[in-house]
Amino acid sequence: AQSVTQLDSQVPVFEEAPVELRCNYSSSVSVYLFWYVQYPNQGLQLLLKYLSGSTLVKGINGFEAEFNKSQTSFHLRKPSVHISDTAEYFCAVSDPAYSGAGSYQLTFGKGTKLSVIP
Amino acid sequence: DTGVSQDPRHKITKRGQNVTFRCDPISEHNRLYWYRQTLGQGPEFLTYFQNEAQLEKSRLLSDRFSAERPKGSFSTLEIQRTEQGDSAMYLCASSTGQGSHYTFGSGTRLTVV
Repeated sequence: AQSVTQLDSQVPVFEEAPVELRCNYSSSVSVYLFWYVQYPNQGLQLLLKYLSGSTLVKGINGFEAEFNKSQTSFHLRKPSVHISDTAEYFCAVSDPAYSGAGSYQLTFGKGTKLSVIP
Repeated sequence: DTGVSQDPRHKITKRGQNVTFRCDPISEHNRLYWYRQTLGQGPEFLTYFQNEAQLEKSRLLSDRFSAERPKGSFSTLEIQRTEQGDSAMYLCASSTGQGSHYTFGSGTRLTVV
């Protein structure tokens, strides 16, 4: 079975400071990894994804993430946060071997609420 | 690309009533998903369609839940005899296939009173 652990439920950080949101996953060898952002009462918006290739992935709004296969991690980073980054962030994994009907269904972590303090 | 549309945005219903939600995916996306998100949790997979065929259902989808995608375009999710535990955000998403990211709708927030 595939699972995702987001180690921090809430992360407060001052504006213009760097931030790292941690994500660890449990799955088989080959996985796809995603980070989504959710603003209040809205759906999820893709920040970035890792399918294969370079382990450093760059996304929208200045975010990036690094896939570490040996540590089964996919941590999200931003060097300088803005007030507008205040939202909830979800890490998700899709394991082709887990989806018998080829659904590539996503398994999400419980989310990390990022609060940017002025 | 007009995005994924969900209707209604909010639904308040009395326990025991039936409710139906609609999802209109991105037109060229053949894959459609329903997820449920309860307070403080990440979204959980409910079911998956490829075109009009429902190919996968989660054990979370009890027999009170039914989903359809009659012509491979829009989809409906019906909950019969609603219970308070059904209160959640119901998210629809669509995609084109393997490795492709999902595009999520804004969700339907269901409150059962």
